[in-house]
Amino acid sequence: DTGVSQNPRHKITKRGQNVTFRCDPISEHNRLYWYRQTLGQGPEFLTYFQNEAQLEKSRLLSDRFSAERPKGSFSTLEIQRTEQGDSAMYLCASSQGTGGRNEQFFGPGTRLTVL
Amino acid sequence: AQSVTQLGSHVSVSEGALVLLRCNYSSSVPPYLFWYVQYPNQGLQLLLKYTSAATLVKGINGFEAEFKKSETSFHLTKPSAHMSDAAEYFCAVSGSGSARQLTFGSGTQLTVLP
Repeated sequence: DTGVSQNPRHKITKRGQNVTFRCDPISEHNRLYWYRQTLGQGPEFLTYFQNEAQLEKSRLLSDRFSAERPKGSFSTLEIQRTEQGDSAMYLCASSQGTGGRNEQFFGPGTRLTVL
Repeated sequence: AQSVTQLGSHVSVSEGALVLLRCNYSSSVPPYLFWYVQYPNQGLQLLLKYTSAATLVKGINGFEAEFKKSETSFHLTKPSAHMSDAAEYFCAVSGSGSARQLTFGSGTQLTVLP
C-alpha cells in the first residue's frame, strides 16, 4: 500500500493559463474525492467518483473546472483560465466501499499559486 | 445538511499538559465523525473515527474522543502533550447523501510549549 499520491506537489502559473493535476488513489479503492483547502480553512468538497463515474459536484466547481477518472484508476483535475482566487491546496482522497464510516485516505496535495 | 464548528482556532499547551480540542457538529442523521491531523505541507492523516459503536473512541498517538449526542460534541483529548503533537487538527462529519463527502471544521492549530 503506497498511499494516495498527487502530482505535481506545487504549481505556479499565471492568470489565464490552464493547469492539470493528477491523483493516483490506493489501488483497490473505488471512491475518489477532490477537495480544495484555502489558507486557514478546512478542506471543502469539490467532486467525487465512484469507479469511473463522476456522481456529484459541489457548487464550488465552476465551469472552468473539470475532472475525469478514466477506467476508474487515476484522476485528473483541470482548471481552465485560472484566476487568482483559484490559489489553494487541492487535495485528493480515496476510500473503499460506499458507507459513510469508511475512512478517506488523503494525498499530500497540490499547492496552486496563480500570479 | 451537516456542519462542524471547532471552537478555538489556536490552542497552546505546555508539554505534558492535557490537550483538549473542541468540536460540535450538526447533522440531520446519526453522524459519522472523524478527527484528522495535518502537518505542514502534508495531507490529512486520520486520528480516529466514531461510527456509532462505542462512544469513547481511541485513536493513534494517544488521542481519544468522546461522542456526546446530547451535547452534539466530539471533543478530542490527549492526557499529556508532546512536542510532536504540534499540528493543525480538523474535525469532520460524513455526509448523509450518496457521496458521503466530509464536511470539515475550520481547524485548530495546536502549539506545544516546552
